[in-house]
Amino acid sequence: TQLLEQSPQFLSIQEGENLTVYCNSSSVFSSLQWYRQEPGEGPVLLVTVVTGGEVKKLKRLTFQFGDARKDSSLHITAAQPGDTGLYLCAGGSTGTASKLTFGTGTRLQVTL
Amino acid sequence: GAVVSQHPSWVICKSGTSVKIECRSLDFQATTMFWYRQFPKQSLMLMATSNEGSKATYEQGVEKDKFLINHASLTLSTLTVTSAHPEDSSFYICSAVRGGGQETQYFGPGTRLLVL
Repeated sequence: TQLLEQSPQFLSIQEGENLTVYCNSSSVFSSLQWYRQEPGEGPVLLVTVVTGGEVKKLKRLTFQFGDARKDSSLHITAAQPGDTGLYLCAGGSTGTASKLTFGTGTRLQVTL
Repeated sequence: GAVVSQHPSWVICKSGTSVKIECRSLDFQATTMFWYRQFPKQSLMLMATSNEGSKATYEQGVEKDKFLINHASLTLSTLTVTSAHPEDSSFYICSAVRGGGQETQYFGPGTRLLVL
C-alpha cells in the first residue's frame, strides 16, 4: 500500500510569515500533484510535477519534487489569509490510469 | 475549462434508506470517474474507479453491494449508498478524467450526506 505522509498536520501562522509543507513516501510516484481544498468544496489543483528535482513556482507558492520522486514540498512566501485551507498532495503511479493516492493533509490557518 | 458537477450538494436521510449521488462532467467526456469519501478533518479516500460501460473497480474494504456505482454514459456516473446508516455520513467527492491521454482529475464540489 502506498502512503503519503504530510507534515505538519496543522499549521497556524500570522499573515506575512513563510511556511513549508512536506509530503513524504517510501514509494516512487510518476507524478505528484498539490491541491487546496476549502470547507465544503472539492479540491482544486494547484500544480503537477513529474520530473525528479523539478521546481515549479505559482506566484508565492513554490513546489519541489524530490530527486527520487518519493517526496515533495510546498513553500508559501508571505502567507495571506486567503491561503487558508487544507493542502493535499497526491501521487500518481505508472500503469494505474490516473489513479491518485492522497496524502494525509495539512490544514493551514493564516490569521491577520 | 473542465467542470464537474455533483447533485445533490447535500442530503439528509433516514437510516435504512438509499441515496443516489450524481456526478456529471459538464463540458467534456469522461472516460474514467473516481469516487472518494472524506471524513471531517481528514484526507480523501478513494472508494472506487468507474469506467464508462464497465463495472466499477472498488478499493479494498469498500463494499460494492453497499456503494453501487453506475457509469452509464461518458458524462454521468452515479453512486448509490444503499441502506444508509449513520456511519455512512460523510462528504462524497467525485472526479473525472478526460480521454485522449490526459490524466488530470477534475473534482466535483462534493456531496455532504447526513444519515439520521
